[in-house]
Amino acid sequence: SYELTQPPSVSVSPGQTARITCSGDALPKQYAYWYQQKPGQAPVLVIYKDSERPSGIPERFSGSSSGTTVTLTISGVQAEDEADYYCQSADSSGTYKVFGTGTKVTVL
Amino acid sequence: QVQLVQSGAEVKKPGASVKVSCKASGYTFTGYYMHWVRQAPGQGLEWMGWINPNSGGTNYAQKFQGWVTMTRDTSISTAYMELSRLRSDDTAVYYCAREEPSSYGMDVWGQGTTVTVSS
Repeated sequence: SYELTQPPSVSVSPGQTARITCSGDALPKQYAYWYQQKPGQAPVLVIYKDSERPSGIPERFSGSSSGTTVTLTISGVQAEDEADYYCQSADSSGTYKVFGTGTKVTVL
Repeated sequence: QVQLVQSGAEVKKPGASVKVSCKASGYTFTGYYMHWVRQAPGQGLEWMGWINPNSGGTNYAQKFQGWVTMTRDTSISTAYMELSRLRSDDTAVYYCAREEPSSYGMDVWGQGTTVTVSS
């Protein structure tokens, strides 16, 4: 089955930039989405269609795509950004959705 | 406001079935797909499938085909997910989440329903 691979963890100091990658063979064909999940809470959509930001999401969250890798960038990280982040996309046919393995962002 | 409210926690024995509900409000229920996603304790998110509330059409992840059933009742704006032949590793939080058909992402999520499978 199709898989999306993320680094297990990323650590960053407040005010610095965090970059989280997500790799998958079908990413050149399928859009990527990013979700933030804090402990005990439901996920929140922070990026859709590779690089679009939903209303209400701070501008410090941005997304980009290059070949088989998509990247979520958090610029000027704040303590409240500490959370798990998941990418999500679909297989090459677009039939089946899939979530990435997840990345824990720690703000030092 | 737009919200999805799920049914309460369930405790089931192995081999039983569970049916979780997801009631939508604040938007046109038939205008958005409804996904079901689960998360085992300490684990990542796992997509289970979606239902199109307008047509009733479904699309299940290969892992869950023959094992999960997603339905809806448009008269009460509620989607359902039923999982049969439960095993202990089905213990998880189950979420519903809506998505506009033009693929704007799962933008509204339910609060989650904890399903515990234990003998």
